[in-house]
Amino acid sequence: GQNIDQPTEMTATEGAIVQINCTYQTSGFNGLFWYQQHAGEAPTFLSYNVLDGLEEKGRFSSFLSRSKGYSYLLLKELQMKDSASYLCATLDSNYQLIWGAGTKLIIKP
Amino acid sequence: DVKVTQSSRYLVKRTGEKVFLECVQDMDHENMFWYRQDPGLGLRLIYFSYDVKMKEKGDIPEGYSVSREKKERFSLILESASTNQTSMYLCASSSGTDYNEQFFGPGTRLTVL
Repeated sequence: GQNIDQPTEMTATEGAIVQINCTYQTSGFNGLFWYQQHAGEAPTFLSYNVLDGLEEKGRFSSFLSRSKGYSYLLLKELQMKDSASYLCATLDSNYQLIWGAGTKLIIKP
Repeated sequence: DVKVTQSSRYLVKRTGEKVFLECVQDMDHENMFWYRQDPGLGLRLIYFSYDVKMKEKGDIPEGYSVSREKKERFSLILESASTNQTSMYLCASSSGTDYNEQFFGPGTRLTVL
């Protein structure tokens, strides 16, 4: 079957670092996406990984290990505006996106 | 700036009514998608389309149909709305490449009474 797991909710402090994990089991793999979704708004693209390793983009980094079926999103220097849900999704063998339920990140001052 | 628009942000309908949700993209994308999003569940694919007049069932097509008469427009139809179709509906589009970044519309929150 196809399955994506990520924590339901996390809490972090403004200025700190947080790591959101995602594990997956999908039929075929053609890459992994992270999207950000603020409450009541549409998801917006953050990152795409298809090769193992770390991709850095400003305060956000995304890591992938295909052998372990594992990814994480790392957010540095947290700001209040980073309070949102973070969605992990994989591209399966048919190039269809399989979505996790999302991790709600709460930032406290 | 890329744009996907949906006809309504909020919609309230009664059980049994026929409901039309419209989605328009201005990026000349080949692929368009309809999802629903419910608390605690991931985005679930209802239908998608890779070309004009072409449609494919997603994971949860029951109770829905779609129409794609023009490349830029993808409509979701609830033939006879039911209360379990109360949800957030999200439309997305992507270009016809393997790297399938999807661009989302703002969503329509549909309540069926």
